[in-house]
Amino acid sequence: RKEVEQDPGPFNVPEGATVAFNCTYSNSASQSFFWYRQDCRKEPKLLMSVYSSGNEDGRFTAQLNRASQYISLLIRDSKLSDSATYLCAVTPNTGTASKLTFGTGTRLQVTL
Amino acid sequence: DAGVTQSPTHLIKTRGQHVTLRCSPISGHKSVSWYQQVLGQGPQFIFQYYEKEERGRGNFPDRFSARQFPNYSSELNVNALLLGDSALYLCASSVDLEGYTFGSGTRLTVV
Repeated sequence: RKEVEQDPGPFNVPEGATVAFNCTYSNSASQSFFWYRQDCRKEPKLLMSVYSSGNEDGRFTAQLNRASQYISLLIRDSKLSDSATYLCAVTPNTGTASKLTFGTGTRLQVTL
Repeated sequence: DAGVTQSPTHLIKTRGQHVTLRCSPISGHKSVSWYQQVLGQGPQFIFQYYEKEERGRGNFPDRFSARQFPNYSSELNVNALLLGDSALYLCASSVDLEGYTFGSGTRLTVV
């Protein structure tokens, strides 16, 4: 089983739609959780950190479910500019020296 | 402030050759990590350095090596290149748990 799993998609949604992605992780000791956005042939850019209490940033909401070991990302009122690959990432440790383990990414295509 | 800078941006090498990739972290960041991203996959962890010491190593062969310099910049070296080493090599710097910042990467093609 992969450490971090995502549905690769693509998710094709019309502009204005709400779309949700899930990401499951296998290491119950994972401590930190992130969503990154990656545009084609570019580097990943941090979208959101994910906290146990959940967090929201504009149209984006991230949730963590430790019991079921998954994190989710909800995008409301999708824009054409949201088209990208969304990578979830987890780290196993607290502290300043820990690696990111990524999923394969979920591709989102928002259409007119 | 400059972000994470990587050089070169693109590189073409022949099988069996050696390559050195370079990374300068964000000013004040003491941790540098290297990742390999092949097409269609998420980035895979190669190395992490913190305060010039190796703090983590991913599941990569000994052909891969790295080091961090006193100014916190870093080099990734790959010997005896294989076709399968073709990928986007990403460097990330961090100061705490609030996310890693990635450079724009070096796209390596091995022919």
